Amino acid sequence: NAGVTQTPKFQVLKTGQSMTLQCAQDMNHNSMYWYRQDPGMGLRLIYYSASEGTTDKGEVPNGYNVSRLNKREFSLRLESAAPSQTSVYFCASIPGRPGANVLTFGAGSRLTVL
Amino acid sequence: KQEVTQIPAALSVPEGENLVLNCSFTDSAIYNLQWFRQDPGKGLTSLLLIQSSQREQTSGRLNASLDKSSGRSTLYIAASQPGDSATYLCAVMIYNQGGKLIFGQGTELSVKP
Repeated sequence: NAGVTQTPKFQVLKTGQSMTLQCAQDMNHNSMYWYRQDPGMGLRLIYYSASEGTTDKGEVPNGYNVSRLNKREFSLRLESAAPSQTSVYFCASIPGRPGANVLTFGAGSRLTVL
Repeated sequence: KQEVTQIPAALSVPEGENLVLNCSFTDSAIYNLQWFRQDPGKGLTSLLLIQSSQREQTSGRLNASLDKSSGRSTLYIAASQPGDSATYLCAVMIYNQGGKLIFGQGTELSVKP
């Protein structure tokens, strides 16, 4: 049981390049999330998926797209990376009964955009 | 719009001291409140979850309380140890929004031997 797995762990991009961060969970969780963490800003929600087939914007969705490929996988895409997207990205999931369950996080993906 | 604030931003205490971390939120319509620990360069680990109908939760030396009416939660750490040094974050799960969580900025705790 691996929990929440994110790839890659580290990535360096040039401005304008595109990339996809992958996230997979093996806990049969319904809801999945993408956060970014910046110094002094805490964690900010980019997008979330309450269930398979649905996605919704969070606090800071601009410049990102997501795909809930199936129940296990939730990917985050940067179409044209900008230096402001340099951050640590975390994927997380919960079983899907929000009132009763704990968020499980991946280990994070550190992205640098030059 | 829900806003979550944690005070203080940083705290340094000697080993053995009891301490309290504070978390406040602006909208009382929440499903639950969670406290997390984050070690440098690592992901977040859940410590405690308090349902909106509960007043407190305990785990070992940790006790978290919730007062929805005043929009406040506290995390009490008893007999602090150097291994407790980390950043502590609180987050509220928003009612009827698919499990969306809003985080505070965190309190960076340092426990000196």
